[in-house]
Parts: sequence; C-alpha cells; structure tokens
Amino acid sequence: EPEVTQTPSHQVTQMGQEVILRCVPISNHLYFYWYRQILGQKVEFLVSFYNNEISEKSEIFDDQFSVERPDGSNFTLKIRSTKLEDSAMYFCASSEGAGNSNQPQHFGDGTRLSIL
Amino acid sequence: AQTVTQSQPEMSVQEAETVTLSCTYDTSESNYYLFWYKQPPSRQMILVIRQEAYKQQNATENRFSVNFQKAAKSFSLKISDSQLGDTAMYFCAFMKRNSGYALNFGKGTSLLVTP
Repeated sequence: EPEVTQTPSHQVTQMGQEVILRCVPISNHLYFYWYRQILGQKVEFLVSFYNNEISEKSEIFDDQFSVERPDGSNFTLKIRSTKLEDSAMYFCASSEGAGNSNQPQHFGDGTRLSIL
Repeated sequence: AQTVTQSQPEMSVQEAETVTLSCTYDTSESNYYLFWYKQPPSRQMILVIRQEAYKQQNATENRFSVNFQKAAKSFSLKISDSQLGDTAMYFCAFMKRNSGYALNFGKGTSLLVTP
C-alpha cells in the first residue's frame, strides 16, 4: 500500500538555525498537510496546501514557517529560525481529495525535531 | 472553534475483551466528519474508522465500531475481541466540511491490551 514518507526520522538542530523537514506524499494525492505533536500533548494542525498554495493555516503557523512543493514529489516544511519550543514530532499527511471522509488523510511516520 | 475531548488518558483491556473509548466534541457546525486514528508505538498514525455527521447509521470496520450520538456530540469507539496489536494511542478527530480540511485532534487515549 502506498505510504507517505518523511525524512529525516530525527533532526537535531541548534536554536536559531533553519531546518527543512521533507515529505513525499502519496503520488496521486493532491492535498498536503503538516501537523505537529509536542511531547505529551495532542496533535496540532499547522497548515494545509493545495494547488501550490496554502488552503488553511493555524495560529501556530507564523512567519517563521513556510511550506513548499519544490517539485512534483516533495512537500517541505521550513522553520526559518528555530526556537526551543519548536521541538516536537512533525507529521506530514496527504489526501486524494478533501472535505470528504472517503478521502481521508494518510500520515507519515513523522520527524522528531529536537532543538538544542 | 471546535474542541475534541478524550476524557480517558489511559485504558487497559484483556485480550479478547471489549473496550470503549470515549470522545466528545463541541461545534456549532452541522456538516462535519469524525475520525478515529490509531498510533502504535511504531509512530505512524493509521485511520481506524470514520463517520459522516449527516449519516445516522454508526460506522463499523470489522472489530471496530462507533457509537455516534450527534445531539450529545459524542463519538465513542468500541473495539471488540481486543488483540495485542491494538495496543496504541487512539486519537479522536473532527473535521469541518468545506474548510481547509484541518483535522482537530483530541489528546488521545493510550490503550494497553494485556494477555
């Protein structure tokens, strides 16, 4: 069964540095998402992306964050200047369609981001 | 804003028994979807079951079924004949229809299935 793949599985970065998290969504999917999960807390929505633009973003997704689909396969999340509180598990998800429970979001394994 | 509440942080069930995980939500929307996702220790979140709010019939997927009470805004998950592989964190999630399609998750219930 096709999967969403994320790299790296674990990223350690110094505070203030830029970090790029990478995702390869399922090939025929058109909608892409990023979520994060701070240790011990719930999974939180960051952003959704469709047709090369952001569909929706949460309050967490401030100017430090950006997303991009640089080619036909990758979907990236960039954090421009990382802070300690950015330490979390970041999940990428994709779906064939949207706003429809018959086209649910499929999640990757996540990237654990540790800010030192 | 929608809130999703899972009031049971941890639960335990013996193999082959039945367990019910609770979820309540708060919304003013009339069209929406509800989901249960499972996150095993291997980390990847997997869709377990989904329910459209406009459908009165409760969704079922093999050993998994839901009790959807729209008026009470309740969406519980029942796992029958529990198996060791059901050990995982279970998240209830809400999605507005015709939105940016963000999933709004509860805090999760950690389920342990014991032999």
